[in-house]
Amino acid sequence: QSALTQPPSASGSPGQSVTISCTGTSSDIGVFNYVSWYQQHPGKAPQLIIYEVTKRPSGVPDRFSGSKSGNTASLTVSGLQAEDEADYFCSSYAGSNSFRVFGGGTKLTVL
Amino acid sequence: QVQLQESGPGLVKPSETLSLTCTVSGSSISSGYYWGWIRQPPGKGLEWIGSILHSGSTYYSPSLKSRVTISVDTSKNQFSLKLTSVTAADTAIYYCARDGYSSDHWGHGTLVTVSS
Repeated sequence: QSALTQPPSASGSPGQSVTISCTGTSSDIGVFNYVSWYQQHPGKAPQLIIYEVTKRPSGVPDRFSGSKSGNTASLTVSGLQAEDEADYFCSSYAGSNSFRVFGGGTKLTVL
Repeated sequence: QVQLQESGPGLVKPSETLSLTCTVSGSSISSGYYWGWIRQPPGKGLEWIGSILHSGSTYYSPSLKSRVTISVDTSKNQFSLKLTSVTAADTAIYYCARDGYSSDHWGHGTLVTVSS
């Protein structure tokens, strides 16, 4: 069982927006602004797409955005494209004892 | 461009020790970042294993802490993972990554199977 809770699946049609949630606790997401999101295509290594809740690394399209409210973080993908079909994982810093925790992942399907 | 490459045996017997090395290029391992290991059982989610700073300071997942050792060799720009007393549950793709509050550069991953 993963430390952070994500829905196992999400879907949307091309051009639509979809939001994926990531629920933690007051020991991780609720207290630290160090939520990150990763995109993973089949057979590939994960790729960082959001860090520190809302920031995008260079080269990541601005269709990807992140937010946080209380113990829940969210990833929104706007203007869905076929290449956005992938697994998405959230992660949070959880303090010096646990350091980092991950969610179980959400499979995004572009219909 | 930062690149990481995992290396080590792809098959380990139960109860033995899993040993992997990550070679870093394009960045000095002494540059102040954390360097970490993350694994993914086939078809499942990601699990953070632990991280190390060039100084040798380490952080480990509480669930694996009793079996994990991460070390660094600054002269070779490498860091390593040792996981003792492995079982089939340790079968996974093992990734090394430039770590910290997030993991911004990843290796391609290496599949390690625990089987007799």
